[in-house]
Amino acid sequence: DTAVSQTPKYLVTQMGNDKSIKCEQNLGHDTMYWYKQDSKKFLKIMFSYNNKELIINETVPNRFSPKSPDKAHLNLHINSLELGDSAVYFCASSLGISGANVLTFGAGSRLTVL
Amino acid sequence: TQLLEQSPQFLSIQEGENLTVYCNSSSVFSSLQWYRQEPGEGPVLLVTVVTGGEVKKLKRLTFQFGDARKDSSLHITAAQPGDTGLYLCAGVAMDSNYQLIWGAGTKLIIKP
Repeated sequence: DTAVSQTPKYLVTQMGNDKSIKCEQNLGHDTMYWYKQDSKKFLKIMFSYNNKELIINETVPNRFSPKSPDKAHLNLHINSLELGDSAVYFCASSLGISGANVLTFGAGSRLTVL
Repeated sequence: TQLLEQSPQFLSIQEGENLTVYCNSSSVFSSLQWYRQEPGEGPVLLVTVVTGGEVKKLKRLTFQFGDARKDSSLHITAAQPGDTGLYLCAGVAMDSNYQLIWGAGTKLIIKP
């Protein structure tokens, strides 16, 4: 019973393509996130949603578009992929929007742009 | 801008040795979390500290929150290969609008 599941785990694609990563949580949490972890392992928040509403939208190119059809799902679509988009993308969820809440992470989706 | 600085960035030691990882800031934090991330996985919470001076123990791991709530440390006694991983601290600064701020991580390798 995976708490936060994201697919695919690996994604290799060419520059200029469009790709999506899906995330689902079965914890009943209200808040979901997308994080990007670069090659130096730094975790940077990209977006957060609370009950399907966008709460945090950090300085991310508008080629990245999150969508939350319901509070258990948060998908990430990336248009016109660039080499610099190569990273591991983590989905996470928490009880609520306060940063004091514990985050439960998915296993990550490693995106490689060639 | 609130920052959480972790040190060292990288540590490789022999099994059985002790080590300490630090997480420091000039900001005051209302709470601080420690996570461990293993290769190919997402970070997993180890502990949350909320009170200045608080000490929490998790088997051979001891976590301490500074009295002024500006720093935290993680001490591992008699490290084992299973402790290998990336250790991340993350906290909510008092003036951060409740957003979680992350340290850059400490990559720990325990050699058998």
